[in-house]
Amino acid sequence: GQQVMQIPQYQHVQEGEDFTTYCNSSTTLSNIQWYKQRPGGHPVFLIQLVKSGEVKKQKRLTFQFGEAKKNSSLHITATQTTDVGTYFCAGNSGGSNYKLTFGKGTLLTVNP
Amino acid sequence: SAVISQKPSRDICQRGTSLTIQCQVDSQVTMMFWYRQQPGQSLTLIATANQGSEATYESGFVIDKFPISRPNLTFSTLTVSNMSPEDSSIYLCSSEVLFGLYGYTFGSGTRLTVV
Repeated sequence: GQQVMQIPQYQHVQEGEDFTTYCNSSTTLSNIQWYKQRPGGHPVFLIQLVKSGEVKKQKRLTFQFGEAKKNSSLHITATQTTDVGTYFCAGNSGGSNYKLTFGKGTLLTVNP
Repeated sequence: SAVISQKPSRDICQRGTSLTIQCQVDSQVTMMFWYRQQPGQSLTLIATANQGSEATYESGFVIDKFPISRPNLTFSTLTVSNMSPEDSSIYLCSSEVLFGLYGYTFGSGTRLTVV
């Protein structure tokens, strides 16, 4: 079945440093989504990427979808303590199948 | 986007008993999903629930253990049956927003501890 690998598992940064997490799918994806889960909270949708090579930005967050639609990345510029949480990518294979396959997530901690 | 109310938020249950988790969506949605998440781990899909049809279960999950109801387009329940300590986990429901166009929204989760 479809697998989505995500690295790193953990990342600790000083406030102001940049952060990147990477996802790689075993199969070509219809789209990839990114979620943030604060400690003790539930996943919250951040963005969806659909097109090959797509790049989207949300303030300090930059999301990329690879040309082959099998990999993706999330980059945070100048991290803040409010960025703390686990970032999950989730792949969707498309068609009539709306199931998401989640990566293992990257736990980001930020030292003020 | 849709808002999901999930309850209970947490429960401590005796082994051998059953717990039913409810999710209410504030708008009609076609698909709802049930996930399990161990603390600090990723989300594992249990089943997909469409209104008017049997739920579709993922490998490793069976209807007898996790019966699901989906009586209408705004409501679903998941029952964890004959519980054992291995069932201790966080259970989350989710629904697509406009057929996934705007991602998926999640309930706040049910933290289940089986003793």
